[in-house]
Amino acid sequence: DQQVKQNSPSLSVQEGRISILNCDYTNSMFDYFLWYKKYPAEGPTFLISISSIKDKNEDGRFTVFLNKSAKHLSLHIVPSQPGDSAVYFCAASDRRSTLGRLYFGRGTQLTVWP
Amino acid sequence: GAGVSQSPSNKVTEKGKDVELRCDPISGHTALYWYRQRLGQGLEFLIYFQGNSAPDKSGLPSDRFSAERTGESVSTLTIQRTQQEDSAVYLCASSLGQGLQETQYFGPGTRLLVL
Repeated sequence: DQQVKQNSPSLSVQEGRISILNCDYTNSMFDYFLWYKKYPAEGPTFLISISSIKDKNEDGRFTVFLNKSAKHLSLHIVPSQPGDSAVYFCAASDRRSTLGRLYFGRGTQLTVWP
Repeated sequence: GAGVSQSPSNKVTEKGKDVELRCDPISGHTALYWYRQRLGQGLEFLIYFQGNSAPDKSGLPSDRFSAERTGESVSTLTIQRTQQEDSAVYLCASSLGQGLQETQYFGPGTRLLVL
């Protein structure tokens, strides 16, 4: 049973525009959310995270928004750059009962074209 | 400093054989995780080690899977009597293990193909 869902397997955006990657979750106990970026033949690298007590976290060109009532989060990349082309994974954890264990979505392949 | 390393990077084996996958976490990281990613799927949690505590094995898919960790260093994931459905990328991650909001750092993975 997929508790974290990324319903868009791919997204194509022009350089300089905004990329919006979406993620939905079903477990209301999740209290910590992360985005990882993965290039081919490499392990995922941490990008940005957000705690459930916040609704927004920003780091440079990357902003994550959390809507707890809708069980939805999104990653905004502004402006998008060709080097951002990668697979982006959304992940969540319920730190109180499953400390450290992450639940991942299936990923969204982002392609940023010049 | 050095990141998480895994070996081998690729492994091809025949159905029914046993395989051993190795993970070297970042020095000083007390928490270590194993995940796998099957084709077209997200990362699936397998097992979690934290210091000297009993590991969380709740993600292991069958008793053919086992893992060990020597102290706070190397971990080995063993798959016995491999099946074709075991084909996946096996990823190891480590973290400091000192708090709830911790980044997990991933290795490059071992690509396992069971023929």
